[in-house]
Amino acid sequence: EPEVTQTPSHQVTQMGQEVILRCVPISNHLYFYWYRQILGQKVEFLVSFYNNEISEKSEIFDDQFSVERPDGSNFTLKIRSTKLEDSAMYFCASTLTGLEQYFGPGTRLTVT
Amino acid sequence: DQQVKQNSPSLSVQEGRISILNCDYTNSMFDYFLWYKKYPAEGPTFLISISSIKDKNEDGRFTVFLNKSAKHLSLHIVPSQPGDSAVYFCAASDGQNFVFGPGTRLSVLP
Repeated sequence: EPEVTQTPSHQVTQMGQEVILRCVPISNHLYFYWYRQILGQKVEFLVSFYNNEISEKSEIFDDQFSVERPDGSNFTLKIRSTKLEDSAMYFCASTLTGLEQYFGPGTRLTVT
Repeated sequence: DQQVKQNSPSLSVQEGRISILNCDYTNSMFDYFLWYKKYPAEGPTFLISISSIKDKNEDGRFTVFLNKSAKHLSLHIVPSQPGDSAVYFCAASDGQNFVFGPGTRLSVLP
């Protein structure tokens, strides 16, 4: 069964550094999302991406964040200058219809 | 501003009995609702969904009920199995955004 994959599973970085989190959505899906979950808190929407552009973004998704679909298979989330409070699990999701989303296993980002 | 609420952070149920997980929402623009299950160290897994034009949707042991007037939905699992032990997230969509509830941790006791 097709699945969403994410790499790396765990990323440790120093405050102020740039990180790129990678996702490979399910191949025929059209809508792509990033979410995060800070330890002990709820899953929070970051951004949705459709037709090669951002369709929605939350207040969390400020100028430090960007997304790209560089080659038709990968979907990346870049954080330009990480802060301690960016430490969280980051989940990528994709959907064909814009409804049921399929999530990846997540990348645990630790900012020290 | 919690648009999607799951007021029970945890629930324990005996194996074989019914588990009922509740979710309330405030935004009347939500027209599609989903339940996800999440195991530790894994991403959320889609379980079942319901459109606002329906009041019930059933898939095997899982049934979701929607009461639009009360802005309330519930997930029923019957019979509950130990493998159902996980965190369950309710999510709501207005066609563009998805908002997740804080989750309910279900423990099914053997």
